[in-house]
Amino acid sequence: DVKVTQSSRYLVKRTGEKVFLECVQDMDHENMFWYRQDPGLGLRLIYFSYDVKMKEKGDIPEGYSVSREKKERFSLILESASTNQTSMYLCASSLLAGTDTQYFGPGTRLTVL
Amino acid sequence: ILNVEQSPQSLHVQEGDSTNFTCSFPSSNFYALHWYRWETAKSPEALFVMTLNGDEKKKGRISATLNTKEGYSYLYIKGSQPEDSATYLCAFMRRGSTLGRLYFGRGTQLTVWP
Repeated sequence: DVKVTQSSRYLVKRTGEKVFLECVQDMDHENMFWYRQDPGLGLRLIYFSYDVKMKEKGDIPEGYSVSREKKERFSLILESASTNQTSMYLCASSLLAGTDTQYFGPGTRLTVL
Repeated sequence: ILNVEQSPQSLHVQEGDSTNFTCSFPSSNFYALHWYRWETAKSPEALFVMTLNGDEKKKGRISATLNTKEGYSYLYIKGSQPEDSATYLCAFMRRGSTLGRLYFGRGTQLTVWP
C-alpha cells in the first residue's frame, strides 16, 4: 500500500513565524502536491513537484514556498505565517505517467494565531 | 483556472435510498476524470479513474458514468448506508496538462441517516 505521511496532524503557530510542513511518501512517486482545503472551496493546489528540485506553482502559491531535495520528501514552507493561512493542508503523490490517481496524506490542520 | 462544478453541494438521505450527484467539467482537452471519497478524519481515497466517453465503472454499490462530449459525470450510490457518508470529489485531468495535475471540484457532502 502507498503511504503518504505528514509531519503533524495539528499545528498552532503565531503570526510571523516560519512554518515547515513535511510530507513523505514511500512509493517512489515522481509527483508530489500540496493542497489546502477550506470550507466551501474544495481542494486548491498550492505547489507541485515532478522531480527532485523541480517545482511548479499551483493556483494559490502566494505566501508559500516549497522544497524537494529528495524524491520521497516534499516540504511546504510558510515564510511568515498569517492568519489567513489557517487551513487544512493536504499532501499527495502520484506516478508521473498517465492517469494515475493521487494518494493523499492525513492532512495537517494549521492554526495561525 | 479550470472550472469543475459539482452539484449538489450537500445531500441528506435516509439509509436505503439511492442517490446520485453530478460533476461538470470542460469538454475540450479531456484526458481523464477522477472520483475520490473523503471521509471525515481520513484521507481522500480514489474511487474511479475514467478516460473514455461512455465509460461506466462500478465498485460495490457505487457506480459512475462519463460523458466527455458534453462534459459531465454522474456518481450513483445504490441503497445508501451510513458508512457512505463522506464528501465525494471529482477531479478533471486535462490533455497536455503538466505532470498529473488534477483540477478538483468543491465536492458533494453526503450524509446518510440510519
